[in-house]
Amino acid sequence: SYVLTQPPSVSVAPGKTARITCGGYNIGSKSVHWYQQKPGQAPVLVIYNDDDRPSGIPERLSGSNSGNTATLTISRVEAGDEADYYCQVWESSGDHWVFGGGTKLTVL
Amino acid sequence: QVQLEESGPGLVKPSETLSLTCIVSGYSVNSGYYWGWIRQPPGKGLEWIGSVYHSGSTYYNPSLKSRLTFSVDTSKNQFSLRLSSVTAADTAVYYCARPLRGGWSVPYDSWGQGTLVTVSS
Repeated sequence: SYVLTQPPSVSVAPGKTARITCGGYNIGSKSVHWYQQKPGQAPVLVIYNDDDRPSGIPERLSGSNSGNTATLTISRVEAGDEADYYCQVWESSGDHWVFGGGTKLTVL
Repeated sequence: QVQLEESGPGLVKPSETLSLTCIVSGYSVNSGYYWGWIRQPPGKGLEWIGSVYHSGSTYYNPSLKSRLTFSVDTSKNQFSLRLSSVTAADTAVYYCARPLRGGWSVPYDSWGQGTLVTVSS
């Protein structure tokens, strides 16, 4: 089955740029979606179709996807960005969703 | 604006069947979306369970498929999940969700608040 690999944790200082990766075989051929989840809350969709933002999501969050790696980039990181982030793809060979293991973003 | 609310027992005994309902308000379950179920064991990541269309069409997580049943009640504007033969590994917060737009491979932009189901005797 298709596997998405994320680093367990990423740390970044306020005002800097955080990059969270999501690795998968030929992931560049798939549409990648990203969710943000804060403690005790439901996930929130922050990026869909590799690089689109739902309404209300700040432009500081962006996505890219090529080859075997998709990346969520958060510019000018704020304390409020501290959360778990999950990538997601549709695995068309089995017709099911796959989530990455999640990355905990810590703002130093 | 759509709202989703999970409803069901918070405690289920091992080997029994877990049953949850997602009550939808502000949007019709008849309106062409694949309504989803996702779960999250305590302290762990998200796991997609499956999705269901109002016509009964379904998609399942292959690892759970043999134990899953979905249904949609359009008269009550809700959809439901049944997971049989549960074990402690099924202990999780269960979420229901609606995708961004119609289609079976569209990510979820509306989520319920989640409900914790514990499997224990």
